[in-house]
Amino acid sequence: NAGVTQTPKFRVLKTGQSMTLLCAQDMNHEYMYWYRQDPGMGLRLIHYSVGEGTTAKGEVPDGYNVSRLKKQNFLLGLESAAPSQTSVYFCASSPPPGGFTEAFFGQGTRLTVV
Amino acid sequence: AQSVTQPDIHITVSEGASLELRCNYSYGATPYLFWYVQSPGQGLQLLLKYFSGDTLVQGIKGFEAEFKRSQSSFNLRKPSVHWSDAAEYFCAVGAGVSSASKIIFGSGTRLSIRP
Repeated sequence: NAGVTQTPKFRVLKTGQSMTLLCAQDMNHEYMYWYRQDPGMGLRLIHYSVGEGTTAKGEVPDGYNVSRLKKQNFLLGLESAAPSQTSVYFCASSPPPGGFTEAFFGQGTRLTVV
Repeated sequence: AQSVTQPDIHITVSEGASLELRCNYSYGATPYLFWYVQSPGQGLQLLLKYFSGDTLVQGIKGFEAEFKRSQSSFNLRKPSVHWSDAAEYFCAVGAGVSSASKIIFGSGTRLSIRP
């Protein structure tokens, strides 16, 4: 019973490098989310998707792009990494109606940008 | 705009003592409210949720929360804490419309347990 799986779990990038974080869920959920977690700031929503082929901006979308080509996958991209993007990234998914029901979280990806 | 405030950054309680974690929300309509727990190095797990009806809701691991509309609060309580309750706790509110909704989290409260 995998639930929500994030790849990779850890990554170190140099400033200016690009990378893609992968989130996969096997619960057939419509909604998927990307959050970043920073000390003292809780979880802040980067982007989210309400279904295959759709994406929307959250609270802190700048510097990130996302794609939801398949229902089970939600990709988060960093085109040119900056030290300010050092954080722990969490993916989550939920059935409809999305924000009004339980979200299921992955284990997180710890990203360090040097 | 919708928001969630958790005024306590860090709380320490003795094992066996009672616990109350505070949460205040800002939302125009009837809120959908949640409490999540995050153990060290882990993702978040739902403790309990409030949508409507009885304002006192029961959750897993012996936790409960009370919705008070007049105070815009949704405080989490436990009568007797265990060492395994040491974790970070997040209050959250569901926001938006059904077709494009999202979850907004507070900044979290870290709970430490004194032996």
